[in-house]
Amino acid sequence: DAKTTQPPSMDCAEGRAANLPCNHSTISGNEYVYWYRQIHSQGPQYIIHGLKNNETNEMASLIITEDRKSSTLILPHATLRDTAVYYCIVRSSYGNKLVFGAGTILRVKS
Amino acid sequence: DTAVSQTPKYLVTQMGNDKSIKCEQNLGHDTMYWYKQDSKKFLKIMFSYNNKELIINETVPNRFSPKSPDKAHLNLHINSLELGDSAVYFCASSPGQGPYGYTFGSGTRLTVV
Repeated sequence: DAKTTQPPSMDCAEGRAANLPCNHSTISGNEYVYWYRQIHSQGPQYIIHGLKNNETNEMASLIITEDRKSSTLILPHATLRDTAVYYCIVRSSYGNKLVFGAGTILRVKS
Repeated sequence: DTAVSQTPKYLVTQMGNDKSIKCEQNLGHDTMYWYKQDSKKFLKIMFSYNNKELIINETVPNRFSPKSPDKAHLNLHINSLELGDSAVYFCASSPGQGPYGYTFGSGTRLTVV
């Protein structure tokens, strides 16, 4: 599976949109982009995933560039409870394990 | 109802003991996983089962043995516990091996003294 690069940390003001970038320049055609987060002392939580098209659910939006080499997770109105480590993971469509990197620590501040 | 439940939540034990961690999912998922998160916070996959069949077995000491009595349960047994086994162990499940999100449990914090 392709590797991903994320900034180690980011800050965001409460109520503002949090935009978390991820680079995956070696992604191949059958690989999906997944986002998870881990709030302190809890299990990881699935947020969203996509292949080519932008995706939106009740938690977030995922914007994937046309060349698929990077993506952005958008939390539209960040709250203090969104403070967590956010993981961007690339995984092929079938069978491969989900491999977590170091992620981005997002701190939402009031 | 908790979707993926692990027991116990905390486990403190002495070196050399044998212990088990249990995991159950009520989501009807076919695939289950064990992950280990060490003190440096990296999450590493250990094992995966699909419909009771072992499909992923990472480089894990033989002292770790998973068992899946049915597709809703995946237990982890650890023999001869060592200090380095201290970590948080997470169980997860997914509908299958395809492009699905995983649902994780809340973790079992194992401390070996």
